[in-house]
Amino acid sequence: GQNIDQPTEMTATEGAIVQINCTYQTSGFNGLFWYQQHAGEAPTFLSYNVLDGLEEKGRFSSFLSRSKGYSYLLLKELQMKDSASYLCAVHNYGQNFVFGPGTRLSVLP
Amino acid sequence: EAEVAQSPRYKITEKSQAVAFWCDPISGHATLYWYRQILGQGPELLVQFQDESVVDDSQLPKDRFSAERLKGVDSTLKIQPAELGDSAMYLCASSSEQGTSYEQYFGPGTRLTVT
Repeated sequence: GQNIDQPTEMTATEGAIVQINCTYQTSGFNGLFWYQQHAGEAPTFLSYNVLDGLEEKGRFSSFLSRSKGYSYLLLKELQMKDSASYLCAVHNYGQNFVFGPGTRLSVLP
Repeated sequence: EAEVAQSPRYKITEKSQAVAFWCDPISGHATLYWYRQILGQGPELLVQFQDESVVDDSQLPKDRFSAERLKGVDSTLKIQPAELGDSAMYLCASSSEQGTSYEQYFGPGTRLTVT
């Protein structure tokens, strides 16, 4: 079976740094995606990790450890517009995607 | 910029009625996905197409749901009869798998309310 786990909710202050963790147990792992989803809208792509290590893209960075089944999304210099749900999704061989439950982030002034 | 199109954006129907959702993927994208997302949860894959063929429909409730992609381009997802528990956002996504890019592009979704 496949299992993906994320914290349900997180709260942080504007200008701060927040780390959202994702742990997974899956077969045929081929990579891991992070998506941002504002309430009532479709998910939008943030990052993709296939090899171990850190991928940096502006204020957002994503880390992957394949041996530990672990990833995190790091958001720096938080802005109010970053309040959203953050979805971790595992990409398996055969192009199957499995999404985690999502982490709802609230950024406070 | 190319986008995934979905219609309708919102649908309200009574239980036991039939509903249908339409999706037009980004041109050239061979893989098309239908997801159901219940409020507060992550998207759950219902069906995945590669061109016109179903690759994975293991989570599709086949007694009431059906999906087709006859010409390998646009796709329709149908529910008959609708039940109260079907109220959710239905998301369509497509991807091209060119090189090492497996990114999914999502449409705006159809929000279904069953009364």
